[in-house]
Amino acid sequence: GENVEQHPSTLSVQEGDSAVIKCTYSDSASNYFPWYKQELGKGPQLIIDIRSNVGEKKDQRIAVTLNKTAKHFSLHITETQPEDSAVYFCAASSPGGSYIPTFGRGTSLIVHP
Amino acid sequence: EAGVTQSPTHLIKTRGQQATLRCSPISGHTSVYWYQQALGLGLQFLLWYDEGEERNRGNFPPRFSGRQFPNYSSELNVNALELEDSALYLCASSVERGAPSTQFFGPGTRLTVL
Repeated sequence: GENVEQHPSTLSVQEGDSAVIKCTYSDSASNYFPWYKQELGKGPQLIIDIRSNVGEKKDQRIAVTLNKTAKHFSLHITETQPEDSAVYFCAASSPGGSYIPTFGRGTSLIVHP
Repeated sequence: EAGVTQSPTHLIKTRGQQATLRCSPISGHTSVYWYQQALGLGLQFLLWYDEGEERNRGNFPPRFSGRQFPNYSSELNVNALELEDSALYLCASSVERGAPSTQFFGPGTRLTVL
């Protein structure tokens, strides 16, 4: 089955800096890659997603890049703000897995004011 | 539009008891997924229901079971509770089966087993 590795597990940045979270996946048939943000006491919320026919997608301060050859994808947050502090999860899904996403273990992002 | 709702918010049980968790999907969504999120771990897939049937289950013992009702709401049952079942249980819903579809999560039920 699919295996998703996510790094780093913890990321501490100063307000205004950029943050990058990286994920690798094992199933070359995976074609959908969502990113979720989970704030304390809440369920994960989708922040951006990318499909395998696209190499990059941007939404204001958030961008995701996908390298299908290397089987890795990354989340980029620019101009970080304290409210960006949360746990971020990447996921990958494939037809072979009924499109049920396999999640990474999460990255705890701390943005210091 | 109302999001995914789950009840109860918190649930405290003792070892050996049974727990029942409930989920209402977003209106129009037919697929419901259950995940376990134990402390420090990612989301572990438990069960997937669509159109009233169990479509897939993760690597969990049979004492984790559930069902989906005609209105697409769902119930997760955990029998013979063990201490390691303590976790946040998340429900998600999506609109499509058989295609990449965004899952929308509820706030979760925090289950504590004493």
